[in-house]
Amino acid sequence: AQRVTQPEKLLSVFKGAPVELKCNYSYSGSPELFWYVQYSRQRLQLLLRHISRESIKGFTADLNKGETSFHLKKPFAQEEDSAMYYCALFYGQNFVFGPGTRLSVLP
Amino acid sequence: GAGVSQSPSNKVTEKGKDVELRCDPISGHTALYWYRQSLGQGLEFLIYFQGNSAPDKSGLPSDRFSAERTGGSVSTLTIQRTQQEDSAVYLCASSNPGVGETQYFGPGTRLLVL
Repeated sequence: AQRVTQPEKLLSVFKGAPVELKCNYSYSGSPELFWYVQYSRQRLQLLLRHISRESIKGFTADLNKGETSFHLKKPFAQEEDSAMYYCALFYGQNFVFGPGTRLSVLP
Repeated sequence: GAGVSQSPSNKVTEKGKDVELRCDPISGHTALYWYRQSLGQGLEFLIYFQGNSAPDKSGLPSDRFSAERTGGSVSTLTIQRTQQEDSAVYLCASSNPGVGETQYFGPGTRLLVL
């Protein structure tokens, strides 16, 4: 079965430090991958998708098919980045979300 | 414009009762999804609609769960004979032009089964 794993439930970094949220997937075809974010008391919303190859709020994510990974990175974390981050895989007609990583950026 | 809306925002019910959750997608969005988010868990994909059709219902947790969509718009998720393990936040999302595109999420319905 297709799966998405996010090994860290909680990740704490200091403001200004680099951050990497890990995501690995299992899918033999060509994946479509997304990162969604949920800030405190807000709705879940799209952060970025791999086909766009864009940087949103300083975050980037590169699809590595060899490692089946889609890690989310930001060189300098900000306090407002504190949120819950979900990696998601779309295949066929289904979405699979990872369990999420809570990022806490400390002052 | 209006985003995805869900009602009720909170629902407390007794074990064994039926509940109906409603989702109003963004106007014109053809795809609609239901997810369940249990405490401390990730998002569990339940079902999606393309138009009024749900091609795959295998994600529904049990036969007590059903969903329908009418007029390519509003969708309802019905849980019959609720159990305590059904307690969760039920999220709805919609996308355009279809499945696989960016999803826009509603605020969720928080269901508590006593």
